[in-house]
Amino acid sequence: GESVGLHLPTLSVQEGDNSIINCAYSNSASDYFIWYKQESGKGPQFIIDIRSNMDKRQGQRVTVLLNKTVKHLSLQIAATQPGDSAVYFCAEIFYNQGGKLIFGQGTELSVKP
Amino acid sequence: EPEVTQTPSHQVTQMGQEVILRCVPISNHLYFYWYRQILGQKVEFLVSFYNNEISEKSEIFDDQFSVERPDGSNFTLKIRSTKLEDSAMYFCASNGNLYSGANVLTFGAGSRLTVL
Repeated sequence: GESVGLHLPTLSVQEGDNSIINCAYSNSASDYFIWYKQESGKGPQFIIDIRSNMDKRQGQRVTVLLNKTVKHLSLQIAATQPGDSAVYFCAEIFYNQGGKLIFGQGTELSVKP
Repeated sequence: EPEVTQTPSHQVTQMGQEVILRCVPISNHLYFYWYRQILGQKVEFLVSFYNNEISEKSEIFDDQFSVERPDGSNFTLKIRSTKLEDSAMYFCASNGNLYSGANVLTFGAGSRLTVL
């Protein structure tokens, strides 16, 4: 079935440390995964995406890792800053269903100064 | 940077009333979506719209919901007879090209609906 979920609901890190946010998915037919950041009172904001034929993709201070064997996705944020405090969602895109996104439950990242 | 604009930002209504939430997608986008987020929960897909028709809808999107693109710029979500459980943040999103990557899918800031 279609299901994307997250392991931890909250994560608290010290400013400057690295953060790792995890996500599990169940749809083995998925071919595209995305990480979104949602700040309070705002809509989801694209961070980074990865195709299913890739294991790793790097952006600016962020890295997404995909392990298809165990259906696991992670977002790594280097040198976490207070501005990174938000809820992070993984999502799966279904091109054959009008491009709809199925979101995971979300992890709230709190960065302590 | 182009934005998806949603109005109203917050609407309070009585149970049983009709509500229309409005969205102005990015002007050259072709794919339009509504999502909702109940407080503290994940974002849930409601409906996708392309070429003036619904291309996909979820089980949440029952007969009480409808969408329309009345004038080529607005994209509306109507709830005919609101229920308490319709209270949520509703996000509109638009996409220019499905296969260009997810970074071109843009969400609006949301409309908060409170049903009393």
